[in-house]
Amino acid sequence: EVQLVESGGGLVQPGRSLKLSCAASGFTFSNYYMAWVRQAPKKGLEWVATISTSGSRTYYPDSVKGRFTISRDNAKSSLYLQMNSLKSEDTATYYCARHTMGITFDYWGQGVMVTVSS
Amino acid sequence: EIVLTQSPTTMAASPGEKVTLTCRASSSVSYMHWYQQRSGASPKLWIYETSKLASGVPNRFSGSGSGTSYSLTINSMETEDAATYYCQQGSSYPLTFGSGTKLEIK
Repeated sequence: EVQLVESGGGLVQPGRSLKLSCAASGFTFSNYYMAWVRQAPKKGLEWVATISTSGSRTYYPDSVKGRFTISRDNAKSSLYLQMNSLKSEDTATYYCARHTMGITFDYWGQGVMVTVSS
Repeated sequence: EIVLTQSPTTMAASPGEKVTLTCRASSSVSYMHWYQQRSGASPKLWIYETSKLASGVPNRFSGSGSGTSYSLTINSMETEDAATYYCQQGSSYPLTFGSGTKLEIK
């Protein structure tokens, strides 16, 4: 059974940093692209970042480019999201997702809440 | 950036009713994918590559479309289908989602 378990969320002040983690199990992690998708309170879904199988390629929307960094450790079957210079508009539930062929998000974690507020 | 516009924003359907949700793209895309999100839960892949049902999805659901116009249809609405449905394009970066259609049971 595919499982994705996020951790590392919480309350952080604007301008500070936070690092999210996602522990994957139930599939060969190194064979899949992975991604982060977020959802602001009562809002829709927004893609945040994608990483290739080896980690050599990463993709971001303009809203987080230069502030967020996605990375992975295939030996640990783990995905990470380093978030710097956080803004209030980054407040959201962050989901770790398996990004099959870099096209569809076919499995999602339970999500972790990040609140950016002073 | 490809903008996806979903309609309607909200709708209610009676059990047994046929339901059609639409998603229009600002530029042509190769496929459309759909996700179901029930209240308080994580999204689930529901339909991929326009018309293929994800594992476990009832066959009363179907998807169709091409180019800039896509739809998700429920042949006969059931209580468990009440949820928000999002379309998503994977044809070009940045990947984008529609704003969702909230489907309620009447």
